[in-house]
Amino acid sequence: NAGVTQTPKFQVLKTGQSMTLQCAQDMNHNSMYWYRQDPGMGLRLIYYSASEGTTDKGEVPNGYNVSRLNKREFSLRLESAAPSQTSVYFCASSEAGPGGTYGYTFGSGTRLTVV
Amino acid sequence: RKEVEQDPGPFNVPEGATVAFNCTYSNSASQSFFWYRQDCRKEPKLLMSVYSSGNEDGRFTAQLNRASQYISLLIRDSKLSDSATYLCVAYNFNKFYFGSGTKLNVKP
Repeated sequence: NAGVTQTPKFQVLKTGQSMTLQCAQDMNHNSMYWYRQDPGMGLRLIYYSASEGTTDKGEVPNGYNVSRLNKREFSLRLESAAPSQTSVYFCASSEAGPGGTYGYTFGSGTRLTVV
Repeated sequence: RKEVEQDPGPFNVPEGATVAFNCTYSNSASQSFFWYRQDCRKEPKLLMSVYSSGNEDGRFTAQLNRASQYISLLIRDSKLSDSATYLCVAYNFNKFYFGSGTKLNVKP
């Protein structure tokens, strides 16, 4: 089925460990995004990539890096995990249309716990 | 000030009721708007887009008021399956801004 695929679905890290969250979409969308969702905080943008070859910081980029590997793939890296990064991470993609856009398609999320 | 603000609820309504949520946005340059539905421990899914004067899809109606900078979602004849969190989203300059969501509980 077409959509956004995220891996892994669950992960437990120790403080200071690193990991990369993978995201791939097969809808030929130009734009891809990484969000985190915490209780009471809603979805907060970490990084986004408006098109292949570009990346920009969102609202909460500290402690994260991203790579837009090609049009399909956008990865999120935690270099040195901290307990404050315990969250649910969502990848999304979208295709911008004239005067706006057609909305997001989300991946199913990665539940990350840092102990 | 948050870009998009919503009443967190919860809204507790009986089956068959009509319920409405409002959402305000701070950036008057926002180009388009959406309502998403999120079930517990699941990803958000697009419910409706709201591009200009409003949009209707079955029991769901979304309205946009640019002068007052708010959008609304009306759900008629509520079903148990409508229980979820509803997220309001504003788009501008390649970014989507999400509200924190409004929780709806539909009771038998």
